[in-house]
Amino acid sequence: AQKITQTQPGMFVQEKEAVTLDCTYDTSDPSYGLFWYKQPSSGEMIFLIYQGSYDQQNATEGRYSLNFQKARKSANLVISASQLGDSAMYFCAMRGQNTGTASKLTFGTGTRLQVTL
Amino acid sequence: EPEVTQTPSHQVTQMGQEVILRCVPISNHLYFYWYRQILGQKVEFLVSFYNNEISEKSEIFDDQFSVERPDGSNFTLKIRSTKLEDSAMYFCASSEARGKAEAFFGQGTRLTVV
Repeated sequence: AQKITQTQPGMFVQEKEAVTLDCTYDTSDPSYGLFWYKQPSSGEMIFLIYQGSYDQQNATEGRYSLNFQKARKSANLVISASQLGDSAMYFCAMRGQNTGTASKLTFGTGTRLQVTL
Repeated sequence: EPEVTQTPSHQVTQMGQEVILRCVPISNHLYFYWYRQILGQKVEFLVSFYNNEISEKSEIFDDQFSVERPDGSNFTLKIRSTKLEDSAMYFCASSEARGKAEAFFGQGTRLTVV
């Protein structure tokens, strides 16, 4: 079974500052992928960034980077230079790459980020 | 930019009625999914669909639920006899492949059962 844990129900960050959203995971799959999605108040799910378990480097996409520590089973999202539009719910998710786990995404409970002036 | 499209955006239905939620996945994608999110809770997997059949389903996806790809573009989720606890946001998603390919989500259908 796969499990995602997000221990921060809510976070505040000042505009232009960096913020780290925590995510830890558990899986028995030898190969897996980790994803972060953003859900603004309008409700849609927006893909942000992906990290493969065998990727040598941490993933980066613009202001988003993923601090992947495989031994600790953590995949924290770092948002640099926060903007007011970053205020949203953020979900960490994972998907295995073996038959039976390669289809579904397993989501964490989410972290609500509020960016302040 | 291609996107997953869901209709309707909101649906209110009476308990016991059947509802069909519609989705148009991204055209070159092969894998299709339904997820749901009860208000204030996490997103839960319902079912995945590939090559015109269900490839995986969760415990939530019981006999009340069915999925269909009636033509080359639409992907539907049917709930036969809705219950109050079916009230949720339902997301359709699609991806090019399994594994590491990201899933692109539609904007969701908010279903309210009264």
